[in-house]
Parts: sequence; C-alpha cells; structure tokens
Amino acid sequence: NAGVTQTPKFQVLKTGQSMTLQCAQDMNHNSMYWYRQDPGMGLRLIYYSASEGTTDKGEVPNGYNVSRLNKREFSLRLESAAPSQTSVYFCASVAFRGLEAFFGQGTRLTVV
Amino acid sequence: AQSVSQHNHHVILSEAASLELGCNYSYGGTVNLFWYVQYPGQHLQLLLKYFSGDPLVKGIKGFEAEFIKSKFSFNLRKPSVQWSDTAEYFCAVSFSGGSYIPTFGRGTSLIVHP
Repeated sequence: NAGVTQTPKFQVLKTGQSMTLQCAQDMNHNSMYWYRQDPGMGLRLIYYSASEGTTDKGEVPNGYNVSRLNKREFSLRLESAAPSQTSVYFCASVAFRGLEAFFGQGTRLTVV
Repeated sequence: AQSVSQHNHHVILSEAASLELGCNYSYGGTVNLFWYVQYPGQHLQLLLKYFSGDPLVKGIKGFEAEFIKSKFSFNLRKPSVQWSDTAEYFCAVSFSGGSYIPTFGRGTSLIVHP
C-alpha cells in the first residue's frame, strides 16, 4: 500500500518556467490538499479538493492552479514560477472530512 | 477565521527531560485535534488524534495530549524524551465551521541532546 505518492521529489526551475507537481493516493480518500511548507510558517494551504470534481482556493492560491483528475490524482501547476514559490510542497489526503491526513513525501522546489 | 497557535517555536532539551508543547485554537464549535511529527527530511506522520470522549489521548512513542475545552487547548506531553524525538511537531485542527480542512500551527522544532 503506497499511500500518497508525489513526484518529483526535487526540482529546480528558472523564473518564468512552468511545471506540474503530481500527487496520487491509493486509499480511496475523498479529499485531497496541497500545502506549502516554509521555515517558521508551518503548512499553508494552497488549494484543496473536498471531493472528486471540486476544487477550492486555500490560504495562498496566487500563482498556482490545480486539477482533480479523478478520485486518485490531484495535481498542482505553477504556470510561471517565481523565486517566492521556492518551498517544500506536500500533498495530503483525508478519507472523510475531519479525519487525519496522510501526507506524501514532499517536493522540494527551488526557483532561481 | 479559525486559527491554530503553537507557542514554543524552538525547544532544546536533554535526554530524559519532560516535554510539553502548547497548542491553542480559536473556534467555539466542534473540532477534531491532531499532533503530527516530521522527522528531518521526512513527511508528516500522525502522532495522535482526538475526536471525542476521554480528553487525555495517548499516541505512539509514549506521547500523550490533553484536550481542555475551556482553554481551547490541546497540549502535547512526553514524560521523558529521547534523542530520537528530535523533530518538528505540528498541531492541527479540523474545524466544523471550516469544512473540516486541516489547519496547522507554525510548528515547534524540538532538539534533544544526548
């Protein structure tokens, strides 16, 4: 049982480049989330998908877009990367609202 | 908006010392409460959780937490820490009024010296 799988694990982008972070869960969970983790800031919610077919903005959505491709997959896209988007990105899933979150291994993104 | 506060940002202890990390939230409705741990270079893992019932909950690795509703607090404790407890600890709350989206505190970095 792989749980939550994120790809890639590491990425370096130049300012202005685009990329998509992939996330897939094999636990049949309903809700999925994208967070960014910055030193001293904890985890801040970028976007979430409460269920298949729905997506909503979180606390820090600017510069990002998401797609809930199906129940398993929830991708995060940076259309034009900026140095301020240098961070560690975590995908998480929750079986049903209110329950504990399961996290992927994270993507360490550096924008130069 | 609902929020989660962790008061201790950096804690340094010697092995065998006792640990208490504070967590408070701002919301008067129904909440589910969690503590997660992140070991260096790894993802977040669940330490313990509280949904209802006995306000003193026990988690993995000897950790426990107490929910005090009147104080809006969910503090994490361990009687005797080990070097292997060196990690970052996050308090998280799912608020019924916030569609139960997991909301995290800023985290506490714990360093345990052998």
